[in-house]
Amino acid sequence: NAGVTQTPKFQVLKTGQSMTLQCAQDMNHEYMSWYRQDPGMGLRLIHYSVGAGITDQGEVPNGYNVSRSTTEDFPLRLLSAAPSQTSVYFCASSYNDRALETQYFGPGTRLLVL
Amino acid sequence: AQSVTQLGSHVSVSEGALVLLRCNYSSSVPPYLFWYVQYPNQGLQLLLKYTTGATLVKGINGFEAEFKKSETSFHLTKPSAHMSDAAEYFCAVTLREYGANSKLTFGKGITLSVRP
Repeated sequence: NAGVTQTPKFQVLKTGQSMTLQCAQDMNHEYMSWYRQDPGMGLRLIHYSVGAGITDQGEVPNGYNVSRSTTEDFPLRLLSAAPSQTSVYFCASSYNDRALETQYFGPGTRLLVL
Repeated sequence: AQSVTQLGSHVSVSEGALVLLRCNYSSSVPPYLFWYVQYPNQGLQLLLKYTTGATLVKGINGFEAEFKKSETSFHLTKPSAHMSDAAEYFCAVTLREYGANSKLTFGKGITLSVRP
């Protein structure tokens, strides 16, 4: 049982480049989410999904795209990277979106945009 | 609307000393409250949560927190710090009426250092 996995661990991009951050879970969780973590700002929700084919915006969705074609995978796409997107990105999952259900976090992807 | 305030960004204690990490929340309706821990180069892990019922909540690794409605606080404590407790700690809140992970608001986090 691998839990929540994220790839890559670290990435450097140039401004304007695009890339996809991968997230997968093997716990058959319906709810998956993406957060970004910036120093002194805690975690902020980018996008989330309550099941395959269903996605919604979080607090800071601009510049990011998501899709959920399977229960297991929830990739995050940066359409045209900007230095303001330099951050640590965490994927999380839980059985459903109820706050009583524990969220499990992946190890994170560190992204540097030059 | 909801928010959490974690005063200060860094707390340093000696090994064996009391750990006290403060969290105050703001919400117009009853909240669900959480503490998460993030060890270096890892994702967040749930320490404990308050939903309803007993206001003193026990979590993993000897941590506990008490929900005090009158003080709008949910401070995290541990009687005796261990070197392995060095990490970043986040308080989070969601309104009970939402009760959703997608409605969680995180605090800015507090870094705990433990001196030998």
